[in-house]
Amino acid sequence: AQTVTQSQPEMSVQEAETVTLSCTYDTSENNYYLFWYKQPPSRQMILVIRQEAYKQQNATENRFSVNFQKAAKSFSLKISDSQLGDTAMYFCAFMTIRDDKIIFGKGTRLHILP
Amino acid sequence: DAEITQSPRHKITETGRQVTLACHQTWNHNNMFWYRQDLGHGLRLIHYSYGVQDTNKGEVSDGYSVSRSNTEDLPLTLESAASSQTSVYFCASSDGGYADTQYFGPGTRLTVL
Repeated sequence: AQTVTQSQPEMSVQEAETVTLSCTYDTSENNYYLFWYKQPPSRQMILVIRQEAYKQQNATENRFSVNFQKAAKSFSLKISDSQLGDTAMYFCAFMTIRDDKIIFGKGTRLHILP
Repeated sequence: DAEITQSPRHKITETGRQVTLACHQTWNHNNMFWYRQDLGHGLRLIHYSYGVQDTNKGEVSDGYSVSRSNTEDLPLTLESAASSQTSVYFCASSDGGYADTQYFGPGTRLTVL
């Protein structure tokens, strides 16, 4: 069975700093997708970034980038120049290509401090 | 714009009552999913559907049921609500293509007294 582990329940950083959220996963599959979702206080689940396991290049979306280490089964999210609006719960998630079911980690609550 | 909506956004009910949460999407997505979110557990899959008349059990399906009579809707029914089902419920949909991204509704906060 696949599992997703986020080892940091809560983090705080100053505005404009760079922060990295950790995620590890366990799977015997070779082809899969990884996601980071953001859940702000509004409770809406928002896709931040997506990585295909077959791609060696790390995904980037503006200030958000990932460090995907397939052999280590690690998928960390880096937020550069953090902003107050980045304050949210962040979920790492995993999906195999066999089905469209997502397995979520338990989340990391990120506070951006002014 | 296409969207996914949930209703009601908040619901308070009593133990033993039947409750139905609605989920409606206008993207014409094949796949639809129901999750519950609880503190310390993240999101856990309850039921999912890959198309009309198709339903499947997820990780925490006991006490819940779904039916898919059309593409747009996947209502979630709690047959006999229990206090352990107090949670925030999210509906999501995806196109059903090659591991396509899921898009989430705004959530329903359900309290069972």
